[in-house]
Amino acid sequence: DAGITQSPRHKVTETGTPVTLRCHQTENHRYMYWYRQDPGHGLRLIHYSYGVKDTDKGEVSDGYSVSRSKTEDFLLTLESATSSQTSVYFCAISDPLRTYEQYFGPGTRLTVT
Amino acid sequence: QQQVKQSPQSLIVQKGGISIINCAYENTAFDYFPWYQQFPGKGPALLIAIRPDVSEKKEGRFTISFNKSAKQFSLHIMDSQPGDSATYFCAASVLYNFNKFYFGSGTKLNVKP
Repeated sequence: DAGITQSPRHKVTETGTPVTLRCHQTENHRYMYWYRQDPGHGLRLIHYSYGVKDTDKGEVSDGYSVSRSKTEDFLLTLESATSSQTSVYFCAISDPLRTYEQYFGPGTRLTVT
Repeated sequence: QQQVKQSPQSLIVQKGGISIINCAYENTAFDYFPWYQQFPGKGPALLIAIRPDVSEKKEGRFTISFNKSAKQFSLHIMDSQPGDSATYFCAASVLYNFNKFYFGSGTKLNVKP
C-alpha cells in the first residue's frame, strides 16, 4: 500500500462519541485525501490537504474535520459520530510533481451503533 | 450529483471472455481518467489511466477507450481470468485542481472459471 498506514483498521463506536482516524505516509507526498466508500456510491472525497496546515472540503465534508500538522500525518475527526457515518474510510496520497496517481491506504472500517 | 456515472453495477463473464465497463462524465475540465481495481479488504490500486489527448491506451489485457466528444470512456478486459474478479472504479480529475478524484459507483466483476 505504497507506504501508507491507517489506524485503527476497525472501530466500533456509539452514536454521539468523537472518533479520530489516522493516516500516516512515509512517501513524502504533498497531497493527502480522505474518502469514504459506501455501496452504490463508490468513493467520495471528504477532505483533502495540499500541505501542512492547508486543508479544504470535499464533496461530503459535513460532520467531519481534519488536521495536518506534519507532512506525514493526516487526521480525520468525527466530532459526534452518527449512524450515517458507518462506512469504510480510505486515505490516499498524491504528488503531481512525480505522478498523477493517487495511492490508497488499506482502509478503516468504522461502525457507529 | 455524481460527476462520473458508471455502468453496469455488476458483471458476470466467462473465463476467456471480454469484460466491458463504461463511464460517462459531464465536466469538460477533467483531464485525467484512471481506472482502479479493488479486491475485498484492500484499498483501490491503479490499473490503467488515460489523458484526453489520446483515444485509446492498452496495457497487457487491459484497454481504455476514450471518446472525448461523447464524454465517455470504457475499460475492456480481454481474455478475462478468475483472478480479475474484483470491483473496478473509474474516476476523473482536474490535475491542476489539487488532483481531486471523482469516482464512479463501481462495477463488481465476477469471472466464472
